Amino acid sequence: NAGVTQTPKFQVLKTGQSMTLQCAQDMNHEYMSWYRQDPGMGLRLIHYSVGAGITDQGEVPNGYNVSRSTTEDFPLRLLSAAPSQTSVYFCASTRDRVSYEQYFGPGTRLTVT
Amino acid sequence: DQQVKQNSPSLSVQEGRISILNCDYTNSMFDYFLWYKKYPAEGPTFLISISSIKDKNEDGRFTVFLNKSAKHLSLHIVPSQPGDSAVYFCAARAYNNDMRFGAGTRLTVKP
Repeated sequence: NAGVTQTPKFQVLKTGQSMTLQCAQDMNHEYMSWYRQDPGMGLRLIHYSVGAGITDQGEVPNGYNVSRSTTEDFPLRLLSAAPSQTSVYFCASTRDRVSYEQYFGPGTRLTVT
Repeated sequence: DQQVKQNSPSLSVQEGRISILNCDYTNSMFDYFLWYKKYPAEGPTFLISISSIKDKNEDGRFTVFLNKSAKHLSLHIVPSQPGDSAVYFCAARAYNNDMRFGAGTRLTVKP
């Protein structure tokens, strides 16, 4: 099992550009989520999904879109990047709502200039 | 609006001694609390959790204590080892799937 994988590891964008951060898991987990980590802020939930076809907003959803067409994949889209979106992004998966334990990917470090 | 707070950004402990990491929360709707450990350039890894109906959970060298009346939890590591040096995040989950994390405490265990 590869667990949770994220691509790319690093990315530099110019303001206004769009891109998609990829996340995949091979554990057949129902629940997936995206977080951003900023200095002194801990991890903040952006969007989450409780299953294929179902997504919902977290604490800081503005500027990001998600979709969940398969159980395995949960991409995060930045439609028009802004410097405030410079952060480290983590994808996580959980077996189901009862499990609570999350498995995190290695992260994507995004810089928007 | 930080609902989960870790007021100590860093903690330094001698190998073999006890490490105590603290966490406070404000939302009484949280039903589950978790601790994660994070090494540089890696994602957080789950360490230990506790349900809001319990006041203690133990797993080897790691014990989490929950004081609901004070809205406070703590992670005890005994004995501390150099490999425990990492950033520790406290997290809390509400019934509506809302997960909130603290800002983290960097633990350094000196040999």
